[in-house]
Amino acid sequence: EAQVTQNPRYLITVTGKKLTVTCSQNMNHEYMSWYRQDPGLGLRQIYYSMNVEVTDKGDVPEGYKVSRKEKRNFPLILESPSPNQTSLYFCASRSITGQGPYEQYFGPGTRLTVT
Amino acid sequence: GEDVEQSLFLSVREGDSSVINCTYTDSSSTYLYWYKQEPGAGLQLLTYIFSNMDMKQDQRLTVLLNKKDKHLSLRIADTQTGDSAIYFCAEHSGGYQKVTFGTGTKLQVIP
Repeated sequence: EAQVTQNPRYLITVTGKKLTVTCSQNMNHEYMSWYRQDPGLGLRQIYYSMNVEVTDKGDVPEGYKVSRKEKRNFPLILESPSPNQTSLYFCASRSITGQGPYEQYFGPGTRLTVT
Repeated sequence: GEDVEQSLFLSVREGDSSVINCTYTDSSSTYLYWYKQEPGAGLQLLTYIFSNMDMKQDQRLTVLLNKKDKHLSLRIADTQTGDSAIYFCAEHSGGYQKVTFGTGTKLQVIP
């Protein structure tokens, strides 16, 4: 089954304690992305990757890091989480070849609370 | 970056039609999308329209695109309680491989 998986689904942590949210896709997609969803603000892109070892900042990258060592995995790293990073996080992937429509496939989400 | 705007909330009665509107800003967008997010789940592609089309119909869904006004709408005919969700419009800027999402419209269907 084609899917994007994220772990953990729920996480409560304290300010400053480093954490990693994992993301994996089994569709051999080149493009992977992280978003955060906040009420009234919609989905905002944090980081994206066009392929292995190629990453770039999205609209709200401050306080986050990513890596893309393998095509299927794209972990999101919060080195020193702060309360304003409390949010719902989504990983997504899609193909970038062909004519489109370039459908994005989303993971189930990770709800992060930083106290 | 580009802003994609939607109203935040829409309430309709079961059986009525729903119309969700979206305004985008990038005139070079190649594809425009509607994604649906059900409670507790990720987003799923509902439908899309290519920028050279004015209208696309898919069963109960009708997408209208007005490129002059950069306006996109999604009409759901005979709205059902199962249509209650958040609907996001999104635009794909082909030159930058970037997809920008709107703020999302929460559709509430009243039985």
